[in-house]
Amino acid sequence: AQKITQTQPGMFVQEKEAVTLDCTYDTSDPSYGLFWYKQPSSGEMIFLIYQGSYDQQNATEGRYSLNFQKARKSANLVISASQLGDSAMYFCAMREVNNAGNMLTFGGGTRLMVKP
Amino acid sequence: GAVVSQHPSRVICKSGTSVKIECRSLDFQATTMFWYRQFPKQSLMLMATSNEGSKATYEQGVEKDKFLINHASLTLSTLTVTSAHPEDSSFYICSAREPGLATNEKLFFGSGTQLSVL
Repeated sequence: AQKITQTQPGMFVQEKEAVTLDCTYDTSDPSYGLFWYKQPSSGEMIFLIYQGSYDQQNATEGRYSLNFQKARKSANLVISASQLGDSAMYFCAMREVNNAGNMLTFGGGTRLMVKP
Repeated sequence: GAVVSQHPSRVICKSGTSVKIECRSLDFQATTMFWYRQFPKQSLMLMATSNEGSKATYEQGVEKDKFLINHASLTLSTLTVTSAHPEDSSFYICSAREPGLATNEKLFFGSGTQLSVL
């Protein structure tokens, strides 16, 4: 079974508009962490935002916010005021605290394309 | 923030040759490094976990004799693709964990290596 599911292989958004990238996860561990990474065409992985399973508030980092719905096991990324430079692949990932060997499990990714 | 340097960024080699990829943590000591492989338009697949001073832990299905990992120091891990074949062509990326962080520790990634085997 997929541990991390990103159902949107590709998305378009108009410049300056907000966009939500979906991520659902599956774990039985009470303690885990959720991450979003951005991968531009150059290939590097850029950390965007983190949400801990016990965090009471949704994480925010500048234009990025994480809509964390624990009961639904979803951790959607919201990008506000999209910019052309936001065009990239976006990966959701989960770290389970009791899984020391497999550091992060990645979702399949969503390719975001920002239209001018 | 912490920096992980990965070299080379791109390598083209003939079938049957071996290729070494280096991953260095520049401003912290990384007791654990990770190697991933990424096929075009696909997600990252963990290949192995590299621990300084001990043997790497390989994920199921990854040939340890083909993908040799050495973590000889706290700042350097290497991945050697031995007797490379065209099917080994891929994007390889390493990451390092900075020790001492809490559960919100984020991995620091190298810039990746695009391997093309002719």
